[in-house]
Amino acid sequence: EPEVTQTPSHQVTQMGQEVILRCVPISNHLYFYWYRQILGQKVEFLVSFYNNEISEKSEIFDDQFSVERPDGSNFTLKIRSTKLEDSAMYFCASSETYLDNEQFFGPGTRLTVL
Amino acid sequence: RKEVEQDPGPFNVPEGATVAFNCTYSNSASQSFFWYRQDCRKEPKLLMSVYSSGNEDGRFTAQLNRASQYISLLIRDSKLSDSATYLCVVILGSNYKLTFGKGTLLTVNP
Repeated sequence: EPEVTQTPSHQVTQMGQEVILRCVPISNHLYFYWYRQILGQKVEFLVSFYNNEISEKSEIFDDQFSVERPDGSNFTLKIRSTKLEDSAMYFCASSETYLDNEQFFGPGTRLTVL
Repeated sequence: RKEVEQDPGPFNVPEGATVAFNCTYSNSASQSFFWYRQDCRKEPKLLMSVYSSGNEDGRFTAQLNRASQYISLLIRDSKLSDSATYLCVVILGSNYKLTFGKGTLLTVNP
């Protein structure tokens, strides 16, 4: 069964450093998303991406964040200068279309900012 | 008012019990509704979509009441493997993003 993959599974970084989280969505999917979940809290939407541009972004997704689809398979989330409060699980998701169509989540990258 | 609000839980039930989860959403323009489950430290996985007419999948029944902005999930004959956090999820309006409730933790005991 096709699945979304994410690397690394765990990233530890120092405050102020840049991190890039990588995702490989399901191959025939057209819509891509990043969500995050701070420990003990709800899953929160960060950004959606379609046709090589951002469709929507949340208030969390400020100038420190960027997304890119550098080639036909990878979808990346970059945090330019990490803060302690960026520590969370980051989930990538993809869907074939939108609305009623299921979003498939990757296993997540746990980001720890020290 | 929170966009998606769920019973805080946790729920502890014996095997074979019936358990109900409740959820309310604040935006009457919401268009799509789902229940996801999340195992500890894992990604959310779609359990079932929720349709206006109500829908059933084996031991799981989901109901939607648009007038009350209320969604429910009923699990009958609960199994140990049903132990997880159940997430009420809504798509608001015309955007693509999933809006999650905080989830309700269920533990099914032998």
